[in-house]
Amino acid sequence: KNEVEQSPQNLTAQEGEFITINCSYSVGISALHWLQQHPGGGIVSLFMLSSGKKKHGRLIATINIQEKHSSLHITASHPRDSAVYICAASNTGNQFYFGTGTSLTVIP
Amino acid sequence: DADVTQTPRNRITKTGKRIMLECSQTKGHDRMYWYRQDPGLGLRLIYYSFDVKDINKGEISDGYSVSRQAQAKFSLSLESAIPNQTALYFCATSAAGQGRMFFGEGSRLTVL
Repeated sequence: KNEVEQSPQNLTAQEGEFITINCSYSVGISALHWLQQHPGGGIVSLFMLSSGKKKHGRLIATINIQEKHSSLHITASHPRDSAVYICAASNTGNQFYFGTGTSLTVIP
Repeated sequence: DADVTQTPRNRITKTGKRIMLECSQTKGHDRMYWYRQDPGLGLRLIYYSFDVKDINKGEISDGYSVSRQAQAKFSLSLESAIPNQTALYFCATSAAGQGRMFFGEGSRLTVL
C-alpha cells in the first residue's frame, strides 16, 4: 500500500470546467506538496501546505489534517493546465512520499 | 537559466556501459536528491545527501552510486547499466527547514 494515494489516475475535462484532484496519505506529515509535471518532463512545485488552504491564480489547494486528505482544485480549466499533478507528503526528517500522479487533459 | 540543471537530458546506452548523470544547482541548498520515475509508479528515491560529506541510500540504491563533489554538484552513476534502469531520472534540492523541493528538468535514460 502506498503512503500517498491519488485519485483519479486520469482525468479529461472540457475547457472551463472546475477540476478536483484528491490525495490521501497515511503517514505523519509536516507538509503536503502539490507538484506539476508537464509533458516535457520537468517538475514544478505548485503548493506546500500544512493546514487550511492556499490559492495561486486559478489553483487552490486544501488540506484536512484530521482526515489526512488534500485536494487540488483548478477553476476555469484551460488546455495549458494539461499535465500530470503529483501529490507528495513530507515529514520533519525531510523524507518525501510521492503519489503516482493524476494525468489531466483539458480539451478546448 | 534553470536553478537545478541536469546533464545529459537524454541518453541512450547499451547494457554494461558506465553512465554518469550530473546535477548542479544555483539555489545554495544543502540537500540534494536523486529520484527515478517509471510509468505508473511514483518518484522513488535512489540516494540523497544533506551535506557535502553526507551520502545516504534511498529505497532503490542497488546498482547506483553517487558523488557529492561540492555543495552545488551531485552526480549519479550507473556502474554497469542494465535495461531495467531505463527510466526518467530527476535531481532535486531543498534547504533544511524549508521543506519545498526544487527539481531539475529530468534525464531520460534508455538502456538497450
